[in-house]
Amino acid sequence: DAGITQSPRYKITETGRQVTLMCHQTWSHSYMFWYRQDLGHGLRLIYYSAAADITDKGEVPDGYVVSRSKTENFPLTLESATRSQTSVYFCASSGAQVTQYFGPGTRLTVL
Amino acid sequence: GESVGLHLPTLSVQEGDNSIINCAYSNSASDYFIWYKQESGKGPQFIIDIRSNMDKRQGQRVTVLLNKTVKHLSLQIAATQPGDSAVYFCAENYQGAQKLVFGQGTRLTINP
Repeated sequence: DAGITQSPRYKITETGRQVTLMCHQTWSHSYMFWYRQDLGHGLRLIYYSAAADITDKGEVPDGYVVSRSKTENFPLTLESATRSQTSVYFCASSGAQVTQYFGPGTRLTVL
Repeated sequence: GESVGLHLPTLSVQEGDNSIINCAYSNSASDYFIWYKQESGKGPQFIIDIRSNMDKRQGQRVTVLLNKTVKHLSLQIAATQPGDSAVYFCAENYQGAQKLVFGQGTRLTINP
């Protein structure tokens, strides 16, 4: 049982480039979430999705785009990466219960 | 607005001692609370949860206490082990919302 996976685990890119972070879960959870984690800010919600084709903004959505064409996938795209988007990104999912289960994270560096 | 915070950003304990990590929340409507453990380089991992109709819940070596009067949550770890070294987050949820609000985290360090 793979659970929830993220790819890539590490990514270095340049300012202005488009980057897509992938998230895949095998639990058929309805809800999926994207967070960024920075020192001094804890976990901040970027976007979340209640089901396929249903997404909503979180606390810090600017500069990010999400889609959810399939229940199991929830990609996060940085359309034009900026240095301030250097962070560790975590994907999470939850089912009928509120408890969220997290992936291993993607460490993104924008040069 | 609602917020979840921690009294101590760092905690250092001796191996074998008990650890207590505290968390304050401000939303009186919150009715579900979770503690997560995050080891270096990994994602947060669920430890234990508690609903607002309970004051205490025990797991394996961990106990969560909820004091709704003062809006305080604590995580007690018994006989702390080196593997307990991590950052611990509390998170709150209120009925009807699927989102969690996370605290800043407390780093627990175990001294040999």
